[in-house]
Amino acid sequence: QVQLVESGGGVVQPGGSLRLSCAASGFTFSGSGMHWVRQAPGTGLEWVAFIRFDGTIEYYADSMKGRFTISRDNSKNTLYLQMNSLRAEDTAVYYCAKDAGYCSGGTCHSYYYMDVWGKGTTVTVTS
Amino acid sequence: NFMLTQPHSVSESPGKTVTISCTRSSGSIDSNYVQWYQQRPGSSPTILIFEDNQRPSGVPDRFSGSIDSSSNSASLTISGLRTEDEADYYCQSYDSGNVIFGGGTELTVL
Repeated sequence: QVQLVESGGGVVQPGGSLRLSCAASGFTFSGSGMHWVRQAPGTGLEWVAFIRFDGTIEYYADSMKGRFTISRDNSKNTLYLQMNSLRAEDTAVYYCAKDAGYCSGGTCHSYYYMDVWGKGTTVTVTS
Repeated sequence: NFMLTQPHSVSESPGKTVTISCTRSSGSIDSNYVQWYQQRPGSSPTILIFEDNQRPSGVPDRFSGSIDSSSNSASLTISGLRTEDEADYYCQSYDSGNVIFGGGTELTVL
C-alpha cells in the first residue's frame, strides 16, 4: 500500500539545522509531486513546500523561503527537507504528503493537493 | 495571496447535519479547486473532498462539498453525524505556487 515514513526530527537549538527525510513506497515516487506540511502544537496545518516530480520546480511558503530547502532523490524514493536557521516558531510536527497529480502518456501533472500523508516527525527548537 | 477563513468550532448532535464554511478573502472561490481534510485527534490528516465536491473512494456519502460564488465560499456538509466524526476539518486551495490552508474547524458531536 502507499506509505510515507518521515524521520530526522528531534530537538535542536535556535539557529541550528536539521534535515528531515521521507521514505516513500507503494507508488511511483518519480512520477509524483511531493509536499511538506507542518503543524505547530495546538494549531492548524501550514504548508511548507512543494517539489515537482522531477525536482525541477520548487515552491515555498513565504516564511520558509531562504531557510528551508526541499529536495528529492528519485533513485532512493526519498524526499528531504533541509531546515536552517531554525527558530522556536518552527517547532511542529512535519508531515510529508504526496501530491494528488498523476502521469499519463509521458506527461506528469501536479494538482497541488495531498492525497496521502505520512504520520509526521516532530521538530522541537529550544535552547 | 488570499486567505481561507473557517469558523473556529462548530457543534451538533448525533444524527443531525452540520455545515462548515470556508471563505476566500480575495479572488474568486471558483478560480481554484477547494479540498477538505479531516484530522482526528492524534492522527495525520486524510483527504475527505477534492476538487470542490469529489469524494475519494472509501469516504461515505454523508460527506459532501460545494462552492457558492455569491458568498465566495466553499462548504463541507456532514449529514447523519456520528461521534467518530469529531475531528478538525481543514479546507485547502492553491494559487500561483502557494498552497493555502484554512485555519481549521473543530467539530464536536455531542
